[in-house]
Amino acid sequence: GDSVTQMEGPVTLSEEAFLTINCTYTATGYPSLFWYVQYPGEGLQLLLKATKADDKGSNKGFEATYRKETTSFHLEKGSVQVSDSAVYFCALRLQGAQKLVFGQGTRLTINP
Amino acid sequence: EPEVTQTPSHQVTQMGQEVILRCVPISNHLYFYWYRQILGQKVEFLVSFYNNEISEKSEIFDDQFSVERPDGSNFTLKIRSTKLEDSAMYFCASSGSANYGYTFGSGTRLTVV
Repeated sequence: GDSVTQMEGPVTLSEEAFLTINCTYTATGYPSLFWYVQYPGEGLQLLLKATKADDKGSNKGFEATYRKETTSFHLEKGSVQVSDSAVYFCALRLQGAQKLVFGQGTRLTINP
Repeated sequence: EPEVTQTPSHQVTQMGQEVILRCVPISNHLYFYWYRQILGQKVEFLVSFYNNEISEKSEIFDDQFSVERPDGSNFTLKIRSTKLEDSAMYFCASSGSANYGYTFGSGTRLTVV
């Protein structure tokens, strides 16, 4: 079935470090791919998305590129801040479907 | 920025009781969803709702669950005869169209004791 696998957390980095959170997927057809972020005490917020192969989603310094050949959508940021501490979820949505299929989430903590 | 509002933020209920989780979607949105996240596990799709009927549901969404849009602004999830394993964070979401991104609420943490 369709699924999303994220790197295991938690991830702890120092401020200004480079961030990569890996995400791979299994899906029939060509899904749209998403990264959601959940800050403490808040709901899931859409961080970025890509709807077709080689698309790059970007927002708030975060980037992810839809790689069909490796079925991946890794999240990257060049220089993280303490305020980036949150749980990050990778997700897919199949073409024509409404539901999102989520990965297990990766908790990121940035230390000053 | 428009928000999806969920109430209560935390609910404790006894096993076997019925609970109703409430959501106020964004006012001009047409598609509504419930998801849940059991502690330490993935966020799981429960149900989607459009045009006053369920458009898709997961195998989790059995006869114990029901959804309703009683008054054109609220969207509720009812869980009949709660079980311990229903303890989870329940997220409501809405979207303006089937292809748009969702807006999620901040969740209701349900604890069944």
